[in-house]
Amino acid sequence: DAGVTQSPTHLIKTRGQQVTLRCSPKSGHDTVSWYQQALGQGPQFIFQYYEEEERQRGNFPDRFSGHQFPNYSSELNVNALLLGDSALYLCASSLLDGSPLHFGNGTRLTVT
Amino acid sequence: GQQLNQSPQSMFIQEGEDVSMNCTSSSIFNTWLWYKQDPGEGPVLLIALYKAGELTSNGRLTAQFGITRKDSFLNISASIPSDVGIYFCITQGGSEKLVFGKGTKLTVNP
Repeated sequence: DAGVTQSPTHLIKTRGQQVTLRCSPKSGHDTVSWYQQALGQGPQFIFQYYEEEERQRGNFPDRFSGHQFPNYSSELNVNALLLGDSALYLCASSLLDGSPLHFGNGTRLTVT
Repeated sequence: GQQLNQSPQSMFIQEGEDVSMNCTSSSIFNTWLWYKQDPGEGPVLLIALYKAGELTSNGRLTAQFGITRKDSFLNISASIPSDVGIYFCITQGGSEKLVFGKGTKLTVNP
């Protein structure tokens, strides 16, 4: 039973570029959440998707957008990258009933 | 917004020692979760607590959901080198939005 998988594992982009990160949830899960984790900090909530719609959003600008597909997988898109966007981006899946999150190993994004 | 106070921020202990860390908040929560994150990996669930006063063990780990619903602690007994990592408390209130503590970085010296 595969857990949460994320791709790519590492990514290097330059300022102003756009990036797309991908996530496949744990089998049986229908809800996907995205988190940004800066070095030495705890994860910060970006947004959550359920039934292909954004349900909740954290304090992130509109440059951060997402999508959920019918198979529950999800993408995180970041436009006009800034140096401060360099971080580990974690995807977590769960059931909508509030069951504990299962995290992927993240995508390490470096913006130069 | 809601905030969690997790302490200590870091701990340096000898192998075999017991460890205790806690999280407190000014708000009431319905769920307390404890996760561990190893370097380069995502957080992994250790213990989930759903009822005030609940005391739950998972091997050498023990966690409790405070009676006031505003705090929780995690104890690790007889620490071993693989306990090294960052431990996060996470809470979930009625809004369903999760709130993370800032983490406790544990270093175990053999």
